[in-house]
Amino acid sequence: GEDVEQSLFLSVREGDSSVINCTYTDSSSTYLYWYKQEPGAGLQLLTYIFSNMDMKQDQRLTVLLNKKDKHLSLRIADTQTGDSAIYFCAERMGSGGGADGLTFGKGTHLIIQP
Amino acid sequence: GAVVSQHPSWVICKSGTSVKIECRSLDFQATTMFWYRQFPKQSLMLMATSNEGSKATYEQGVEKDKFLINHASLTLSTLTVTSAHPEDSSFYICSARVVVPPGGDGYTFGSGTRLTVV
Repeated sequence: GEDVEQSLFLSVREGDSSVINCTYTDSSSTYLYWYKQEPGAGLQLLTYIFSNMDMKQDQRLTVLLNKKDKHLSLRIADTQTGDSAIYFCAERMGSGGGADGLTFGKGTHLIIQP
Repeated sequence: GAVVSQHPSWVICKSGTSVKIECRSLDFQATTMFWYRQFPKQSLMLMATSNEGSKATYEQGVEKDKFLINHASLTLSTLTVTSAHPEDSSFYICSARVVVPPGGDGYTFGSGTRLTVV
């Protein structure tokens, strides 16, 4: 079955880079996602990566995918207080298509120190 | 961008009553919507996949008679928690698949509904 693992907490100083790691088990995943959830709110799609890519950069966000090790990471450059949230790694379940839901990790709570 | 509107944001109900949660796609048509449940400090767990004009597909362990899903139109899916009990208290979130530029896809989420059963 599918399983997505993440560390529960990450503490960084403001201005430093944050690296949030994720491992997954389903080698047939086509898309992998990073979502941000602020307290009491829904999920905001930050970025995604297709399984045939190794890296994707979008402004302060860099996603690295090691398909061999089934490891995904999200790097946030110049971390700000507004980045404080829970970050979820997710993979698309099944073999693709519009009817597939997502399998989520438990989320990494990013804590910013002044 | 694609927006999914979910209502209500929070609801408190008495044990034994039913609660309906609505999820609307505002500027796009959603043939398929997904319903998730999130326990405190836990991940989101997929409950069911809602298909317009047909029966929902439930994940293993989710009681379909307890969590009624109706997807009557391309822009509206509803989740009704029937005969709610305190253990049904949770955060419920709906989601729809959308096209994300450039050429990929993602899932957009509603803002969630905090259900408390007393």
